[in-house]
Amino acid sequence: ETGVTQSPTHLIKTRGQQVTLRCSSQSGHNTVSWYQQALGQGPQFIFQYYREEENGRGNFPPRFSGLQFPNYSSELNVNALELDDSALYLCASSLSISHEQYFGPGTRLTVT
Amino acid sequence: SQKIEQNSEALNIQEGKTATLTCNYTNYSPAYLQWYRQDPGRGPVFLLLIRENEKEKRKERLKVTFDTTLKQSLFHITASQPADSATYLCALDMGSNDYKLSFGAGTTVTVRA
Repeated sequence: ETGVTQSPTHLIKTRGQQVTLRCSSQSGHNTVSWYQQALGQGPQFIFQYYREEENGRGNFPPRFSGLQFPNYSSELNVNALELDDSALYLCASSLSISHEQYFGPGTRLTVT
Repeated sequence: SQKIEQNSEALNIQEGKTATLTCNYTNYSPAYLQWYRQDPGRGPVFLLLIRENEKEKRKERLKVTFDTTLKQSLFHITASQPADSATYLCALDMGSNDYKLSFGAGTTVTVRA
């Protein structure tokens, strides 16, 4: 059984640029959630996808967008990057009937 | 406003002792409460889930309690080992059609040999 994988591991971008982060769900999981974790803080929910549809969104602006593909992998896109977007971005997959989430290792994004 | 508060200070304990972590919340009504472990530079790892109608749950050396009247969960690591050193996060899960986890900031535990 393959766990949740994310790419890239690290990324450095300039303010105003756009970025795409990728996530492969754990085998058999049909739900994926994205979280942003600033240093010293807990993860903050960005949005969730279930069967390719957005299934809920946290308090993040529209420049944060996502996709889920038929194989349940997912992308997080962030436009017009700001310095405060620097964080660890975590993807978590789960079964829709289950509550525990399985996290990937994260992508560390630095915006300069 | 909604708040989730975990021990504000890091916890340093001697190997073999019990670590007790607290998670207090306000203006939430979670159906479930989850605990995760996070190592530096890694994603959180699920440990335990407790339902609102359960008072206590155990898994190996871990024990969780959930008091919906006090709006508090306690997380215990018994017979602690240096390998237990990590940050522990509590997460509120509203259940039903609510899809997100709301996390506390975490408590860092260091177990001294």
